Amino acid sequence: GNSVTQMEGPVTLSEEAFLTINCTYTATGYPSLFWYVQYPGEGLQLLLKATKADDKGSNKGFEATYRKETTSFHLEKGSVQVSDSAVYFCALSDSGNTGKLIFGQGTTLQVKP
Amino acid sequence: DTEVTQTPKHLVMGMTNKKSLKCEQHMGHRAMYWYKQKAKKPPELMFVYSYEKLSINESVPSRFSPECPNSSLLNLHLHALQPEDSALYLCASSPDPLGEAREYFGPGTRLTVT
Repeated sequence: GNSVTQMEGPVTLSEEAFLTINCTYTATGYPSLFWYVQYPGEGLQLLLKATKADDKGSNKGFEATYRKETTSFHLEKGSVQVSDSAVYFCALSDSGNTGKLIFGQGTTLQVKP
Repeated sequence: DTEVTQTPKHLVMGMTNKKSLKCEQHMGHRAMYWYKQKAKKPPELMFVYSYEKLSINESVPSRFSPECPNSSLLNLHLHALQPEDSALYLCASSPDPLGEAREYFGPGTRLTVT
């Protein structure tokens, strides 16, 4: 079945460091891919998405490229801020079937001043 | 109005109580969802309503009873819960259950069962 694997956290970085959070997936067909962010005490927010191979999603300085050849959707940001501290979830949609979202386990990011 | 609202924000209930969680959206979305999220885990899908009809029930115990009175409202009725049901309950909506635009999540209700 479809699944998503994220790098284990927590990831601890200093402010202005470069961020990469790895995400790989297993899926039949051509799912859409998403990154969600959950700030402490809040619900999930859609951060960015990509719907087909080679698409790049971007938002708030974060980017991720849909790589079909490596089945990956790694999240990157060039310079993190303390306010980026949150839990990040990679997800894929079972489009055209049930439409369900399948989440990775989440990666906690802590950015220190 | 581009948000999903949930009430209450926090709820503490005993194992014999009956309570309800409420969710509302005014974006004209035709799919609404209930998720359960335990600490440090991803959300787990519980129910999906598509065009006000229950389309997915992920084998959720009957002590959780969803209801969709109209296209803007989603309720989750709780009865005889167990302490292990304590979690963050998230509501979400999307324009189309099989479309590419994905779910908008509410802030959640943090439920504690004593």
